Amino acid sequence: AQSVTQPDIHITVSEGASLELRCNYSYGATPYLFWYVQSPGQGLQLLLKYFSGDTLVQGIKGFEAEFKRSQSSFNLRKPSVHWSDAAEYFCAVGRDSNYQLIWGAGTKLIIKP
Amino acid sequence: NAGVTQTPKFRILKIGQSMTLQCTQDMNHNYMYWYRQDPGMGLKLIYYSVGAGITDKGEVPNGYNVSRSTTEDFPLRLELAAPSQTSVYFCASSYVGGRSQHFGDGTRLSIL
Repeated sequence: AQSVTQPDIHITVSEGASLELRCNYSYGATPYLFWYVQSPGQGLQLLLKYFSGDTLVQGIKGFEAEFKRSQSSFNLRKPSVHWSDAAEYFCAVGRDSNYQLIWGAGTKLIIKP
Repeated sequence: NAGVTQTPKFRILKIGQSMTLQCTQDMNHNYMYWYRQDPGMGLKLIYYSVGAGITDKGEVPNGYNVSRSTTEDFPLRLELAAPSQTSVYFCASSYVGGRSQHFGDGTRLSIL
């Protein structure tokens, strides 16, 4: 069955520290991969996406993610977090042959001052 | 460029009342979706549409109905509101089904 796992429900990071959010997927073929961010009380905003090519993709707000086929992973990283990065982050996968995206349960990022 | 617009932003309903959540997009996207998000939970797909006149059930369709008479609009109807339908509802659209989705700001619905 197709699924997306975000193992960490919550992550707490000090402001200025580096961040890595994990995402693993189970899919029949290499899917398209997405990271979204949801700030409190807001809708979801696309951070970055991977379709093919370079496995390290850059997104908005200084985020990047690396696709590792052998590990079926698409982890999100940021070298130095800011208080404004406190939000919930969702990983999702899809293919043109599917009508929808498969969503992870989300990881809530808490920033310590 | 408005993107995906949802109305209303907030609503309180009494048990048994009905209402329609409106969603419109101006990106000429074929695919549209309705999700609900409960506190601390991820997204659950309620209904989706692959084009005008074509809709289908998602993961949690009970208690809801949809229609898609135009490419732009995809309203979600609650016929007999129940407390279990208290949630935040998001509408989204995409050009192709498995590609990136664009989200509205959500409708926060409380049923008392």
